Formats: sequence, C-alpha cells, structure tokens
Amino acid sequence: GAGVSQSPRYKVAKRGQDVALRCDPISGHVSLFWYQQALGQGPEFLTYFQNEAQLDKSGLPSDRFFAERPEGSVSTLKIQRTQQEDSAVYLCASSLGGGYQPQHFGDGTRLSIL
Amino acid sequence: AQTVTQSQPEMSVQEAETVTLSCTYDTSESDYYLFWYKQPPSRQMILVIRQEAYKQQNATENRFSVNFQKAAKSFSLKISDSQLGDAAMYFCAYNNAGNMLTFGGGTRLMVKP
Repeated sequence: GAGVSQSPRYKVAKRGQDVALRCDPISGHVSLFWYQQALGQGPEFLTYFQNEAQLDKSGLPSDRFFAERPEGSVSTLKIQRTQQEDSAVYLCASSLGGGYQPQHFGDGTRLSIL
Repeated sequence: AQTVTQSQPEMSVQEAETVTLSCTYDTSESDYYLFWYKQPPSRQMILVIRQEAYKQQNATENRFSVNFQKAAKSFSLKISDSQLGDAAMYFCAYNNAGNMLTFGGGTRLMVKP
C-alpha cells in the first residue's frame, strides 16, 4: 500500500524566500506529525495534528513556521522569510490514531537555504 | 522534559556477527513506549522494534531484540547475524502520552563484509 508521501524531495531557496513543503499521509491516518532533522542529528518535533486540529505546535522554532491540515488529510509546512539555519531535512509522519500507534515516516524534504 | 541519549556515535560489526547499540533515557513517567528506528541514506525512518514500558518481557523481531532495563532507564538494541543491509543510522526514541517522539542523536552502524 501507499506510504507517507512528501514533496518536493529537495528544495533549494534563497535566504528570505518563502517555502512550502507538502505531506500526504497514509489514507485513514488520523494523526500527523512534522519533525526537523539537522545534519548529523536526530529528528526534533515541530508540530502535531489530529485530523484538522493542530493540537501541539510547541516545537515550531519561530513564528516564521506555520503548518496546516485544513481537511484532515494533506498537510503543508510553510516557512516564511527563510534563513540559513532553516536548512535541514523535514520529516512527516502519520499514525492511525492517538495512543501509542507507531508513526510511519515519509522520505523527507531536504531544504537548503543559500 | 524527557531526554534520550545514544552514547555511541558510530559502531562497526562484521557481517554475521552480533552488535549491541546503547540507549538511555530520562523520564518521570511510568507509562511510555520506546522505539528503535533505522534510517538508511534514503532518509525514510523505518520502525525496527518497540517496547511497552509496563511489559517486562523484552521485545523481539526476527534478528532484532531489545534489553529493556526500566529501573536503569536503559533500552539497548541487539542485532544478531548482521547483514550488509543493516548498515544505517539507528535512532532510539521515546513516546509518552501518545504524542510526539523524542529521539536520541543516533548511532551510525557500519557492517563489514
């Protein structure tokens, strides 16, 4: 079956530009997560949705980061006025529901800010 | 806040041999889950094995098993009969309240033919 799909796979942007990263979760998965993975480090939590509700955005590093999931399926992570420190791999994961359902990850988007 | 520590940045194992990756964590919770994820160069995080904190029996999945020591807050991964395809980054992760995962810094596993 189809897994979590993320696009684009690679994104290069100039400092100051806005970018949008897309995540298409596994069909029927209620929960959706975004993580940021800096080079050589483990992923760090950014935000969490249950259906269309954003229940936790405590990991978003600044108000330049914004995530949405308007219809409870596809999610978009937007970064405004990008800076070099935003360069990282952005991973999306989905799970069937709450509790301790395992999270299934996409291949990530590698974002490079020049 | 919960923290997860992987003290081995790199490990190396001979093909067909056994290797153990270490992980320690810090939490005040009594109910939680622990996971090991594998991340090959393709970047996709693949779930290897998971352990429920209230279960004393160590989880096993084919060649992968864990040694879960709750009192010591230790959660190591043992890979038996190592294969070339096991070469990857391995991340230990913690989850409580069914929400976000907290990851360690990772261990790069190299498998020598």
